Amino acid sequence: QVQLQESGPGLVKPSETLSLTCGASGYSISSGYYWGWLRQPAGKGLEWIGSVYHSGTTLYHPSLRSRVSISVDTSKNQFSLKLSSVTAADTAVYYCARHTPIYEYDSIGYASFDIWGRGTLVTVSS
Amino acid sequence: QSVLTQPPSVSGAPGQRVTISCTGSSSNFGVGYAVHWYQQLPGTAPKLLIYSNSNRPSGVPDRFSGSKSGTSASLAITGLQAEDEGDYYCQSYDNNLSGWVFGGGTKLTVL
Repeated sequence: QVQLQESGPGLVKPSETLSLTCGASGYSISSGYYWGWLRQPAGKGLEWIGSVYHSGTTLYHPSLRSRVSISVDTSKNQFSLKLSSVTAADTAVYYCARHTPIYEYDSIGYASFDIWGRGTLVTVSS
Repeated sequence: QSVLTQPPSVSGAPGQRVTISCTGSSSNFGVGYAVHWYQQLPGTAPKLLIYSNSNRPSGVPDRFSGSKSGTSASLAITGLQAEDEGDYYCQSYDNNLSGWVFGGGTKLTVL
């Protein structure tokens, strides 16, 4: 059974960098799929932040690209999110998720997010 | 404002059938990209409910079905049950955004 678990600080100060890690179990990240980060502000909808393939290839939401960095550590079977210069608007539940395509250069236009972590609340406040 | 448009809420009595619409545009559904649906029960993470327009992952009851035509898609739930109450999101890929997009979500209330 594939499981994902987010970890990281629940409180970040404004202008600082939010850092989260997602550990995978039951599946090797090196075996395929893209691995993504999404977020959901309280009472609002879902927003895709960015994704990474085990090769290191990254895809980012255009509006966050200047502040986001996602990396993968296959030796630890985990991937990480860094979001810089955070403000209160970045307060949200952050989810990590696995999504298709399985192979790096297959079409990404049909991708679905099939495995999700439980989510972790990150609050930006001084 | 979301790239994909969903009604904010729908409701139905136990046993009834409800549908949730999701409207896209020429840069997502119109290109032929698939629609996927997620169920988010209160206090939990989203769960993939329907993928590639009309396919159910293993374990999802056949009470849930999806369809897509042109720039519109819909999720149907038959035999409504109290445990179906929650939020439902559609998702696709958008060429203009060059990324994955979600609808604003629809809150399903079982009366």
